[in-house]
Amino acid sequence: NAGVTQTPKFQVLKTGQSMTLQCAQDMNHEYMSWYRQDPGMGLRLIHYSVGAGITDQGEVPNGYNVSRSTTEDFPLRLLSAAPSQTSVYFCASSRRGVGNYGYTFGSGTRLTVV
Amino acid sequence: KQEVTQIPAALSVPEGENLVLNCSFTDSAIYNLQWFRQDPGKGLTSLLLIQSSQREQTSGRLNASLDKSSGRSTLYIAASQPGDSATYLCAVGNNNDMRFGAGTRLTVKP
Repeated sequence: NAGVTQTPKFQVLKTGQSMTLQCAQDMNHEYMSWYRQDPGMGLRLIHYSVGAGITDQGEVPNGYNVSRSTTEDFPLRLLSAAPSQTSVYFCASSRRGVGNYGYTFGSGTRLTVV
Repeated sequence: KQEVTQIPAALSVPEGENLVLNCSFTDSAIYNLQWFRQDPGKGLTSLLLIQSSQREQTSGRLNASLDKSSGRSTLYIAASQPGDSATYLCAVGNNNDMRFGAGTRLTVKP
């Protein structure tokens, strides 16, 4: 099993550009989420989804958009990149109810906005 | 709002030493607690998952305990090895979210 796959692994954007970070899982997990990791701050939840067609905001949603058209895919869109969005982004998935089963993480996307 | 704190932020020990990493959280109404390992530039690898009804979990040289009433968890690493050097993260879960601590960076010196 591939688990949780994130692409690209690295990306450099110019301020104002838009892009989509891809996340796919092959474990038939209902729950998927996006986190960003910044030095000294731990991981913070951006958006999450409890199933296809259902998304909700996390702790730091501003500047990001998500959709969930299939169980497998959960892309994260940066609408107009800003230097404050320079970070490492992780996608995670879980069986129904992350509280019961814990997370499986992707390997991350390192994004730099210049 | 759930706050998760990990102390110390960094720890350096000689090889072979037993060690304890600490995690505290402010809201005891959790579903579970999960410990992760993160190597530099890599993703998170799950080490142990403790459900709220459990007191501890063990995997090899690792043992994690959970005391919900006091809002604390510990990760015990026995007979540490240089390969254990990494950042260790704890995360507490409710139904739709997991809150992470900032991590403890462990260095095990040969």
